[in-house]
Parts: sequence; C-alpha cells; structure tokens
Amino acid sequence: GEDVEQSLFLSVREGDSSVINCTYTDSSSTYLYWYKQEPGAGLQLLTYIFSNMDMKQDQRLTVLLNKKDKHLSLRIADTQTGDSAIYFCAEMDPISSGSARQLTFGSGTQLTVLP
Amino acid sequence: DTEVTQTPKHLVMGMTNKKSLKCEQHMGHRAMYWYKQKAKKPPELMFVYSYEKLSINESVPSRFSPECPNSSLLNLHLHALQPEDSALYLCASSQVLEGVQANYGYTFGSGTRLTVV
Repeated sequence: GEDVEQSLFLSVREGDSSVINCTYTDSSSTYLYWYKQEPGAGLQLLTYIFSNMDMKQDQRLTVLLNKKDKHLSLRIADTQTGDSAIYFCAEMDPISSGSARQLTFGSGTQLTVLP
Repeated sequence: DTEVTQTPKHLVMGMTNKKSLKCEQHMGHRAMYWYKQKAKKPPELMFVYSYEKLSINESVPSRFSPECPNSSLLNLHLHALQPEDSALYLCASSQVLEGVQANYGYTFGSGTRLTVV
C-alpha cells in the first residue's frame, strides 16, 4: 500500500483546539478517513472526506484537505479529556480483485489532553 | 444492529494450542476483514473476504487460517502460534459496491487481545 504519515504525539490543554496532520501519497484515493482508538478498544470512525471537497465540518470536528499537497488535517475544537486517544488517518485503496477496498492507515497520533 | 461483535475479548494460548477467534455482523455487509494490531502501531491488514470468498491474503503465515462460513460470520483459526503473534486482532466489515467508488468505510469490532505464551 501507499505511505500515510502522521506525527506521533500531540499534547494540548483542555479547552484548546487540537490539529492533527496527515500526509498521504496515493493521488487516486477518493475517500480519506479519521479513526479514533481509545486504550484497549477498537477503531471508531470519526469522520471522512471525499477528495473533491476542501473542508468538512461535523460538530467539533473540522477536516481540511489539500489535495495538491496531499495533506489532510483534523481539527478538534474545545478539546476535552475524553478526546485523549490515538487518531489514525486512513486512505482507501482499490483492491485488484473483487470489490472490497483496503484501508491503509497512518502511524497514528497520540493526543494527550492536559487539564 | 450497527455493530461488529468479536469473541472472545481476551485469549491466552500456548504455542501448541488450537483456538479460534469469531466475528459477527448483521448489517448486511458483504466484505469482512481481519487486521492485526501491535501496541501503539496502526492496524495491518491480514485477510479480506468479499462475498464470502477470500480475495486478499497479505502473506500471512499458515498458522493463521481464516474462514467465512456465511455472510454474517468470520472466523480466524489459530494453530501453533508464536509469542510474536501476541497482538490485538480486529475484525471489520463494510458494504461492497460494484463499479462506482463510494464511501463505504469500515465498521470495526472492539477486537480480541491475544497473548501467546
């Protein structure tokens, strides 16, 4: 699969905004995703963006996509302690056989929210 | 029902044991996946089933044997595992649409935490 890169760690104060960045390499990706993983849990889909969009907002979450630079970001407004988790960006790759699609994940960003 | 259910949640097995991980969904999804996740790392794809047929095997050792008995169930049979196989095993499912690309993000289960001793 293609490489998807993220910074490993981010710390913010409660109430501040968090911005998690991601770069991807597969220009044919049509959907890009953000997943959240709390300790000991599975992955929870937070939001996604279609590649012909520049921005998508969903309550406290804002996704920005710069397709030219292959850069994706997730902004969390008014960050709370419950937002502490690992955040993965992911791109959808076509699978050559059948119609299932493969998700390729970034390395994940550990977000720590300080009181 | 909008969940993927995995059992057991925790499993400890010896290197000579045979065990199975189970995954179930009732969302009508026709693609199901097994991922392996080591601590603090992203999930790595192991197997993909599309319409109950194995479509991708990402060079996984034969000590891992997947099975998809019907459109709602996915199993992972384990035999003669090594300690380095200890990890969180995640099952996921998604819709499958022919032709036109569309958003069909995955729904993940909460995983089985496997420890091989």
